[in-house]
Amino acid sequence: QVQLVESGGGVVQPGGSLRLSCAASGFSFSSYGMHWVRQAPGKGLEWVALIRYDGIDKYYGDSVKGRFSISRDNSKNTVYLQMNTLRAEDTAVYYCAKEPRWQQTVNWFDPWGQGTLVTVSS
Amino acid sequence: DIQMTQSPSSLSAFVGDRLTITCRASQSISRYLNWYQQKPGEAPKLLIYGASSLQTGVPSRFSGSGSGTDFSLTISSLQPEDFATYYCQQTYGIPLTFGQGTKVEIK
Repeated sequence: QVQLVESGGGVVQPGGSLRLSCAASGFSFSSYGMHWVRQAPGKGLEWVALIRYDGIDKYYGDSVKGRFSISRDNSKNTVYLQMNTLRAEDTAVYYCAKEPRWQQTVNWFDPWGQGTLVTVSS
Repeated sequence: DIQMTQSPSSLSAFVGDRLTITCRASQSISRYLNWYQQKPGEAPKLLIYGASSLQTGVPSRFSGSGSGTDFSLTISSLQPEDFATYYCQQTYGIPLTFGQGTKVEIK
């Protein structure tokens, strides 16, 4: 059974940094792309970043480009989101999500982890 | 960026009702459209991909249709567990974008 468990959330001051982790199990991690999607409190969903299964290609949403960086360690079955220069508007629950198809990028999300809350506040 | 607009933003319905949620893209996206369901305090769940393909395990009362710029999600007979927020998402181009959501409440 596929499991995705996010960690690393917490409270950080504006301008600070945080690294989120998503530990995966139950599937061949190195053969699937991974995404981060966020949801501000009481708001809708916003796609943040994608890393292809091979880790070569990475893509970002407009609001985080240049500040956030996605990476993966296939030996640890883990995907990361390094978040720098954090702003109040980055406050959200951050979900990791799996690409559904083996070694393909279809850009939909199934399944999702339970999420980790990041709060940017002084 | 491709903008996705859902309507309505919220609705109230009875158990057993048939309801339809619509999603419009700001440009043609062929059939690169997915639907998700999110219940309070939970992560979203994939319902429909490729505009009309039902994800494994999703009840057949859910269906999707459309192509180009106009899409719809239909629930043929609303069940108590279907009260949730529904999101459309386009996969035609990066950045990937979602509609603003449609909250379905009990009447």
